[in-house]
Amino acid sequence: QITLKESGPTLVKPTQTLTLTCTFSGFSLTTSGVHVGWIRQPPGKALEWLALIYWDDGKRYSTSLRSRLTITKDTSKKQVVLTMTNMDPVDTATYYCAHTGGDWAFDYWGQGTLVTVSS
Amino acid sequence: QSVLTQPPSVSGAPGQRVSISCAGSSSNIGADYDVHWYQQLPGTAPKLLIYGNSNRPSGVPDRFSGSKSGTSASLAISGLQAEDEADYYCQSYDSSLSGSVFGTGTKVTVL
Repeated sequence: QITLKESGPTLVKPTQTLTLTCTFSGFSLTTSGVHVGWIRQPPGKALEWLALIYWDDGKRYSTSLRSRLTITKDTSKKQVVLTMTNMDPVDTATYYCAHTGGDWAFDYWGQGTLVTVSS
Repeated sequence: QSVLTQPPSVSGAPGQRVSISCAGSSSNIGADYDVHWYQQLPGTAPKLLIYGNSNRPSGVPDRFSGSKSGTSASLAISGLQAEDEADYYCQSYDSSLSGSVFGTGTKVTVL
């Protein structure tokens, strides 16, 4: 079955760079039409889409965060990595990675990881 | 801020039918991009409830249904149950943003 799990620091300082890893199983990111995305949710607030990487290494980013985000994949390790630069307290959120079959419907989600930005 | 607007909350008694609206624009729902719906129970990750406007993944009860018209979409829950108390989000693709967008979210309360 398909599973995803996020990992990374739980606490980062303002101005630091956040690196999150999504380790997945049950599918291959080399299969046509398979993509992995990142979504975040500040405490008590709505979901916000951040980035998506396609099976063919194409990438899409949130317009408002494009300058701060980088998404990459390591198909042999079955991992997708998201980096976000210049972290700020407003970036405090639960960060999720999720699988989509190409129609942008996220059908499998990781459990999420809470990242707090504080000095 | 989100470009898909939902009512902050809706409520209903057990057994009743409730509906959640998702208002978009000509660059997302109105551009004929699919709308998907998610249910998020407290403290858990979102779960795909409806995909492609009106399709239910395996295991989702047929009490949940989705529709789309013009620049808006709706999620209906019939035969409301206590376990349906959760937050619900719509999602679509936006051509002007070249990416996905989520709705503002709606909290469903079962009275």
